[in-house]
Amino acid sequence: SAVISQKPSRDICQRGTSLTIQCQVDSQVTMMFWYRQQPGQSLTLIATANQGSEATYESGFVIDKFPISRPNLTFSTLTVSNMSPEDSSIYLCSVEDLGRGGEKLFFGSGTQLSVL
Amino acid sequence: GDSVTQMEGPVTLSEEAFLTINCTYTATGYPSLFWYVQYPGEGLQLLLKATKADDKGSNKGFEATYRKETTSFHLEKGSVQVSDSAVYFCALRDQNTGNQFYFGTGTSLTVIP
Repeated sequence: SAVISQKPSRDICQRGTSLTIQCQVDSQVTMMFWYRQQPGQSLTLIATANQGSEATYESGFVIDKFPISRPNLTFSTLTVSNMSPEDSSIYLCSVEDLGRGGEKLFFGSGTQLSVL
Repeated sequence: GDSVTQMEGPVTLSEEAFLTINCTYTATGYPSLFWYVQYPGEGLQLLLKATKADDKGSNKGFEATYRKETTSFHLEKGSVQVSDSAVYFCALRDQNTGNQFYFGTGTSLTVIP
């Protein structure tokens, strides 16, 4: 199993500013995932963060808006840049456990972001 | 494309009541199906899964059966407890579409004593 620490747990930000969310895992993982959950909607994958290479972004998400760092196998950050009220959402960090049958995602407790 | 449609909440039940949360899916291939649960203040965690048609996933008294003919994976529990109060997410993973997980919108369950 994996234990994920994500911070901040919540923040209220002003329009036009940026927020960096940190995700720390208690074991080394190859891929880390960043999701967004907007109010009343499902979790949407933003990007996959690979150690030692550029993050892979899903359709509708770009690096300029959501830059990601992955300096080592246990840590990643997601920055929400030049925020607008439409960015108000819960942001979730996740890793996958490929052992013992695989296909099991572990999640951080999320960052609830409100943009004024 | 792949998607998951989940019963809208919130759902409020009395303790020991029977629970059903409906989930249907659309997929191009033969996906694996999952239920994740998020307890207050915690991250999502896997509750159960099924990887092929007619498989039944079970855990903590919860069950869900992979029904290919109805493209459904409904979550059931015979007798809910206050500690089951949480948000439940149905999800699928289809190897035909890049192994990404697709989640439903979540169903909030509150169990009252």
